[in-house]
Order: sequence, then structure tokens, then C-alpha cells
Amino acid sequence: GAGVSQSPSNKVTEKGKDVELRCDPISGHTALYWYRQSLGQGLEFLIYFQGNSAPDKSGLPSDRFSAERTGGSVSTLTIQRTQQEDSAVYLCASSLGYDTGELFFGEGSRLTVL
Amino acid sequence: GDSVTQMEGPVTLSEEACLTINCTYTATGYPSLFWYVQYPGEGLQLLLKATKADDKGSNKGFEATYRKETTSFHLEKGSVQVSDSAVYFCALTHRRGDDMRFGAGTRLTVKP
Repeated sequence: GAGVSQSPSNKVTEKGKDVELRCDPISGHTALYWYRQSLGQGLEFLIYFQGNSAPDKSGLPSDRFSAERTGGSVSTLTIQRTQQEDSAVYLCASSLGYDTGELFFGEGSRLTVL
Repeated sequence: GDSVTQMEGPVTLSEEACLTINCTYTATGYPSLFWYVQYPGEGLQLLLKATKADDKGSNKGFEATYRKETTSFHLEKGSVQVSDSAVYFCALTHRRGDDMRFGAGTRLTVKP
């Protein structure tokens, strides 16, 4: 597609359930990023991929969070046993390379944990 | 670690007013600096950037100058329009992939 695509755009779930958020980056972009935006907060960096590899996973808030990227394209962010504090907008971005400095963002997936 | 602090909003201006959104940063070395904008219902997009001290980034009538001595990158526009209503994010990176850091965002509303 022309831009970064994220799904679902909106997800409401019950506490304790697992959720999967999907990101389809711009074709040809080798770097992919996940951020979290909570109400009134800036963008919190979660993880980035160069190709299919994530050099550093320490940005993930807890071991309930995991992410993978396959085929150098689509990425999935999984949150297990969701908690209310996980409620936020999860943003995905991609770039031509990790060192370009220009990120292209999707519209985000809004997660609400009841 | 590196961080970005930008002025709290919301900011409400009348059309044709002057705009300044302050941004200061804390970082080692010489990061690249950015302003991103998020229009209603859209994803963040790059507005302008500066990669070294004294560089001026500009786009769509907006400007920001990389000031190393004051560690600032304030966003300015001489005459805002209703269509500039959006959330503006200041950001920095050393271009290592995992180090793009964003401010909290400043919501701007321009009234006719």
C-alpha cells in the first residue's frame, strides 16, 4: 500500500485477554518501529526491527509484550493477559533504514482494556 | 538518557496570529532534531528537520532552528491558518534505530 497500515484501528477487550496488533509497513522499508501513546503522554518507544531482527527488546514494558516481524514486512505486537494500564494508542512506523531519521507512521491502533 | 521537553498545550490562536511552540532537549553529542505533526484522524508525519547546529528546517511556512547553545528547536510560523490545527511533536535521534525520542505533543487549535 501507499502508507503504513495498522489493524485493528480500534480494539476493546476485557482484562486478562490477549490481543494482537498488526502493522503493514511501506513496501521496501527495512526498519519498523512500535510506539505507545498514552493520554497526555509523549510517544513511548517499544521496539524496532531492522529486517526481521529486533536488536533490543528492552523497551517493551513487561514480559506480557512481544513482537515479531516476518519476511521483512508485516509485524505483530502481542499483549498477553492485558491490564487496564495497557490502554493506549499503539503506533507503528517504518523507514527506509534505521539511520534515516524520517519515520512514516500509521494511524495507530487504539486499545481499551476494560 | 536523551529526552525532549516541549511546551504544554493546548494552544489556541486566531487565524493569522504568530505561533511559537517551545522545544528543548537533553542529549549527548549532536542529535538530529525533528518536528512531526499529527492532523486530526491521521498518522504523524514529518514536518521539518535539522541535522546539525545552526541548521534551519522549514516547510509549509513553519521554521525551526537548531540551537546548540540553548539546546532548543522552537517551532515558529508567522501567520497560522485554520488548517494548521493539529498536534505537534518535537523529536530527536542519533539515528541508531532505537533512539528516536518524542516530546509529549502540543495541541494547536486555530480559530477563524
